[in-house]
Amino acid sequence: AQTVTQSQPEMSVQEAETVTLSCTYDTSESDYYLFWYKQPPSRQMILVIRQEAYKQQNATENRFSVNFQKAAKSFSLKISDSQLGDAAMYFCAYRSAMEYGNKLVFGAGTILRVKS
Amino acid sequence: DVKVTQSSRYLVKRTGEKVFLECVQDMDHENMFWYRQDPGLGLRLIYFSYDVKMKEKGDIPEGYSVSREKKERFSLILESASTNQTSMYLCASSFFQGGTYEQYFGPGTRLTVT
Repeated sequence: AQTVTQSQPEMSVQEAETVTLSCTYDTSESDYYLFWYKQPPSRQMILVIRQEAYKQQNATENRFSVNFQKAAKSFSLKISDSQLGDAAMYFCAYRSAMEYGNKLVFGAGTILRVKS
Repeated sequence: DVKVTQSSRYLVKRTGEKVFLECVQDMDHENMFWYRQDPGLGLRLIYFSYDVKMKEKGDIPEGYSVSREKKERFSLILESASTNQTSMYLCASSFFQGGTYEQYFGPGTRLTVT
């Protein structure tokens, strides 16, 4: 079974600075997808960024980018120019490309605090 | 915009009660999911459904059942609520688009069982 590990329960960053959230995963599969989801306080969870394992290029979405290291099974999220609205719980998630049903396996989450 | 709604944001029930959590999506999505979210454990899949009247067990189905009579509605049922089922429950739906699936989440129901 696949597992996802987020080793940082909490992180803090100063507004306008850069922060990196860590995620490692364990799988024997070669084809899969990785995601970062954001859950703001008392608000719905939304997708931040997605990475296909077969793509070598790291995904980017505006101020959000990932460092995908397939051999190391590492998938970190970098947030540049942090804003107060980035404060949230961030979840790393894995989805197999082989299994039917597109189930997600989530990490424990990292709380990100942004200081003004 | 995709909308996934859940019947209650907060719910307080007593031990032994039968509890229904309702989830509705308005985008004709095939797949629907129920997760529970606990501190330090992230989200864990309880059940999912890939079509009407179809259901599959997730990682922690014990103590729960589900119902999907219509495509847009997926219900989670706690047959006899217990205190260890106090948690945040999240519903999600997804469909295949652009070469992959993306899950859309509801706002969550915080259930307290006393």
